[in-house]
Amino acid sequence: DIQMTQSPSSLSASVGDRVTITCQASQDISNYLNWYQQKPGKAPKLLIYDASNLETGVPSRFSGSGSGTDFTFTISSLQPEDIATYYCQQYDNLPPAFGGGTKVEIK
Amino acid sequence: QVQLQESGPGLVKPSQTLSLTCTVSGGSISSGSYYWSWIRQPAGKGLEWIGRIYTSGSTNYNPSLKSRVTISVDTSKNQFSLKLSSVTAADTAVYYCAVDYGDYVFGYWGQGTLVTVSS
Repeated sequence: DIQMTQSPSSLSASVGDRVTITCQASQDISNYLNWYQQKPGKAPKLLIYDASNLETGVPSRFSGSGSGTDFTFTISSLQPEDIATYYCQQYDNLPPAFGGGTKVEIK
Repeated sequence: QVQLQESGPGLVKPSQTLSLTCTVSGGSISSGSYYWSWIRQPAGKGLEWIGRIYTSGSTNYNPSLKSRVTISVDTSKNQFSLKLSSVTAADTAVYYCAVDYGDYVFGYWGQGTLVTVSS
């Protein structure tokens, strides 16, 4: 199975800051990577698919990049409503697998 | 927009079978547009894909759970279901049903239902 490693596991930033999360796959997954946002007590929400494509209705401050084994998720200007845990997920090989998550908090 | 709602017992005894149903609204499960997946999340932990089904009844399962999982679909009720047999405390989790766009991209999710395995 492909292992997905996210870092950091948590971070604290100020409103307006640029936030970056990385996700590393244990083998080449091309661009078959999604990013999800999960707010406390809620279901995950798809933000980005195919590594860099923004899901319909998702604010443009969210972006993703990368291919192969190394991927980056960025919030260009952190907003209070962005407090959540973010997960990457590969779908190159079965089973689809999620990273361990990055918890984003406001400083 | 498609909406999903999980239902089923919140408490299951060890060694018994966990059974959940996902009711789909805002779209037909038999439209052929999507696959229908189950995903779980133990408290404070990450997400684990369990398996999925297509309208035709074709299924894919996580190999780590395959021997214990059955996913079925009832197009007349616009529902799909999960059965997980021989449960242990390790199966305690929030269980989500989700729309799979077809490439294991999970676009819509139910609110989730907590299932506790305990005697």
